[in-house]
Amino acid sequence: GAGVSQSPSNKVTEKGKDVELRCDPISGHTALYWYRQSLGQGLEFLIYFQGNSAPDKSGLPSDRFSAERTGGSVSTLTIQRTQQEDSAVYLCASSRTDSYTFGSGTRLTVV
Amino acid sequence: GQQLNQSPQSMFIQEGEDVSMNCTSSSIFNTWLWYKQDPGEGPVLLIALYKAGELTSNGRLTAQFGITRKDSFLNISASIPSDVGIYFCAGREAGANNLFFGTGTRLTVIP
Repeated sequence: GAGVSQSPSNKVTEKGKDVELRCDPISGHTALYWYRQSLGQGLEFLIYFQGNSAPDKSGLPSDRFSAERTGGSVSTLTIQRTQQEDSAVYLCASSRTDSYTFGSGTRLTVV
Repeated sequence: GQQLNQSPQSMFIQEGEDVSMNCTSSSIFNTWLWYKQDPGEGPVLLIALYKAGELTSNGRLTAQFGITRKDSFLNISASIPSDVGIYFCAGREAGANNLFFGTGTRLTVIP
């Protein structure tokens, strides 16, 4: 597509439930990133995928967080046993060079 | 870990005034980027800088890559109401996979 597409745009979930967030990057972009943006804060790096290489998971805050990228395209970020502190906007970006193109994000609220 | 300090945190200015914001890092970057984020959207790239001392303009926006490679500034001239939003600096260390982001400058333009 023309841009990075994320779904859902909003998600409200109960504490303890699992959630899956989806990112559809720009066609041809080999790099894909997930960032988390808490209210009024900057962007916190979570995970990076580049082609068929092993992902850089160094930013994942706990083992409840995982992500995969199937076929070098669509990516899914999974949060298991959600906690209230997981509430944030989760942003996906893709790139072919140094500059990223971001999606509009998924606003996750854990109640 | 990487520290990226962005200032000021917020600014209230009259339409037509010039604006300046800056970022400093605790380590050397080989790329500096400036993004703008509107409510409910992901950040959008404004200017990319790749060389120490580089000065680049994009319309009323001008940004510079500091010669120490640890800082960058963004200027907006003759501000207009649509400049309202949150501006983020971002930088990449040599060999790093991901961008580090500043905490943002929230700009309000009073008509």
